[in-house]
Amino acid sequence: EPEVTQTPSHQVTQMGQEVILRCVPISNHLYFYWYRQILGQKVEFLVSFYNNEISEKSEIFDDQFSVERPDGSNFTLKIRSTKLEDSAMYFCASKAGDTGTGELFFGEGSRLTVL
Amino acid sequence: GDSVTQMEGPVTLSEEAFLTINCTYTATGYPSLFWYVQYPGEGLQLLLKATKADDKGSNKGFEATYRKETTSFHLEKGSVQVSDSAVYFCALSDPPGYNQGGKLIFGQGTELSVKP
Repeated sequence: EPEVTQTPSHQVTQMGQEVILRCVPISNHLYFYWYRQILGQKVEFLVSFYNNEISEKSEIFDDQFSVERPDGSNFTLKIRSTKLEDSAMYFCASKAGDTGTGELFFGEGSRLTVL
Repeated sequence: GDSVTQMEGPVTLSEEAFLTINCTYTATGYPSLFWYVQYPGEGLQLLLKATKADDKGSNKGFEATYRKETTSFHLEKGSVQVSDSAVYFCALSDPPGYNQGGKLIFGQGTELSVKP
């Protein structure tokens, strides 16, 4: 069964460092998303991406964040200068273009720990 | 804006007990509604969904009915198992065909622990 894959599964970084989280969405999907989940808290929307541009972003997604689809398969989230409060699980998700039900398919997440 | 509210956890039940996790939503129009489940150490998996009023989503013995009049989508299971221990998230999105790229909005999650 097709799945969304994310790397790395866990990354530890120092405050102020740049981090890139990688995702390979399901191959025929057209819509891509990043969410984050701070430990014990709700899953929060960060950004959605379609047709090579951001279609929506939340207040959390400030200038320190960026997304890119550098080729036909990868979808990356970059945090330019990490802060302690960026420590969270980051989930990538994708959605097919022809479904009417709005279902998102999620990866298993990348845990980011900022020290 | 649109939002989802779930009952607070953790919920602790004995095996074979009846489960209800309440979920209510606030949205303009008629959103699609979902329950996602997150097993320990894993990502989010779709459990069930409903896209219009009075629809019942069901999967793995879980059920939820889209109640427009009460803006609710409560999750139920008649007899829980230890393997059902997980965090359950209620979520909504724009109606089918309205905004294909629309995001999911999640509730805060409800942790379920089932004891043997």
